[in-house]
Amino acid sequence: QKEVEQDPGPLSVPEGAIVSLNCTYSNSAFQYFMWYRQYSRKGPELLMYTYSSGNKEDGRFTAQVDKSSKYISLFIRDSQPSDSATYLCAMGGNNRLAFGKGNQVVVIP
Amino acid sequence: GAVVSQHPSWVICKSGTSVKIECRSLDFQATTMFWYRQFPKQSLMLMATSNEGSKATYEQGVEKDKFLINHASLTLSTLTVTSAHPEDSSFYICSARDGTGRNTEAFFGQGTRLTVV
Repeated sequence: QKEVEQDPGPLSVPEGAIVSLNCTYSNSAFQYFMWYRQYSRKGPELLMYTYSSGNKEDGRFTAQVDKSSKYISLFIRDSQPSDSATYLCAMGGNNRLAFGKGNQVVVIP
Repeated sequence: GAVVSQHPSWVICKSGTSVKIECRSLDFQATTMFWYRQFPKQSLMLMATSNEGSKATYEQGVEKDKFLINHASLTLSTLTVTSAHPEDSSFYICSARDGTGRNTEAFFGQGTRLTVV
C-alpha cells in the first residue's frame, strides 16, 4: 500500500460547482496536512495547512481532515475557470513528508 | 508563506553537457530539500531528498551519478544533470522545509524547464 493515495483524475466540473478532492494515507504518524495547487509549468503553491481533525476554511476553500479514517479532503466552492490546476495533497510527521500524485481539475466555463 | 527561489527557470543545453539548477530558501533555513521531476501532464516524481551537510538520499531508479545533488548550506541546494541527453528533458522542481520546527510544511520553487537538444 502506498503511503499516500490520490486519484489523479482528471476531474471536470462546470463553473460554479463544488470541487471535491481527497487523499487517503496509511502512516498514522502523519500529524499535519497540506494542499498545494499547481498551474501548468509552474511550481506548486501552498493552499491550505492544518494540524487537527475537522474543517479549516479559507475563502472558497475548505480542508477537511479525518485522522481516525486517515482521510483528507479539499472542497472548492463556487469553482471558477481559474481554479483549473493540479491539486496535490501532502502530509507530514516525525520529520517525514509525503505527497500525493496530484489530481488534475478542469473547471468548464 | 516562505519563499523558495529556483534558477534558472528554463535552460536549453546540448546533449553531453552538464546543467546546474539552484534552489535557494530566501527567508528561512532549509535543513531538508527535495528534488522532483515532472513530465507533461504527469504528477511530481520525487528524485531525491537532501539534508544539509550530508549525502542525498535517492529514490529507486534515480542515478545518483547522473543527478548530482549538493546541499552545502542551509539556504542552497543544487542539482547537476551530468552528460545530459534528450530524455532528460523535463520540468525539475525543488522544495524546501523550514528546519526550525519539527513538523513544517514544504514550499516549492518555480521549477526549471530543461530542454536537451
